[in-house]
Amino acid sequence: QVHLVQSGAEVKKPGASVKVSCKASGYTFTGYYMHWVRQAPGQGLEWMGRINPDDGVTNYAQKFQGRVTLTRDTSISTAYMELSRLRSDDTAVYYCTTDSGSYIDYWGQGTLVTVSS
Amino acid sequence: QSALTQPASVSGSPGQSITISCTGTSSDVGSYNLVSWYQQHPGKAPKVMIYEASKRPSGVSNRFSGSKSGNTASLTISGLQAEDEADYYCCSYAGSITWVFGGGTKLTVL
Repeated sequence: QVHLVQSGAEVKKPGASVKVSCKASGYTFTGYYMHWVRQAPGQGLEWMGRINPDDGVTNYAQKFQGRVTLTRDTSISTAYMELSRLRSDDTAVYYCTTDSGSYIDYWGQGTLVTVSS
Repeated sequence: QSALTQPASVSGSPGQSITISCTGTSSDVGSYNLVSWYQQHPGKAPKVMIYEASKRPSGVSNRFSGSKSGNTASLTISGLQAEDEADYYCCSYAGSITWVFGGGTKLTVL
């Protein structure tokens, strides 16, 4: 049974950074890409980027280039998403997800990041 | 990378069929068969309903079907049920190792 368990909600001030973790279990962590997707309140889904947990190679949406960093620690089957220079419009639920090979299948429970002064 | 275009809302009565469209460009939907559809109930994480434009994952009702023509993909739900009321999102591979989602469609079962 695949489980993706994310870290808890965060409140940050504008200009700060946030790092969200996603601990995977129930499958071979290094065998499947991991994507990060966010959803602002009442808004749609937005793809942020992807990491290959096996070699750490990352790909990012152009919108987030330079502000987002995806990393992983294979020793504890955990992926991380760090977003810097936070703005109020970065307030959203952030999801980690696995990639079946042609689509996003499993999702974490989501982490609410609130950016407010 | 612009979001794929979906109608903001659709509605139908129980037992009826509805179709949700997802329009992209020749750089995303039109170039790849890697279109997937997700159902999201309020406060829940999305769930994949269709992948590779027309394939159904194990466990998803056969009332859900997908198709693609040119730059537009479509999700059809037949025999509408109250439990189908949710938000639906399409997603397409957009080349250069990037993906793009649609803006989402709110389905109301009347």
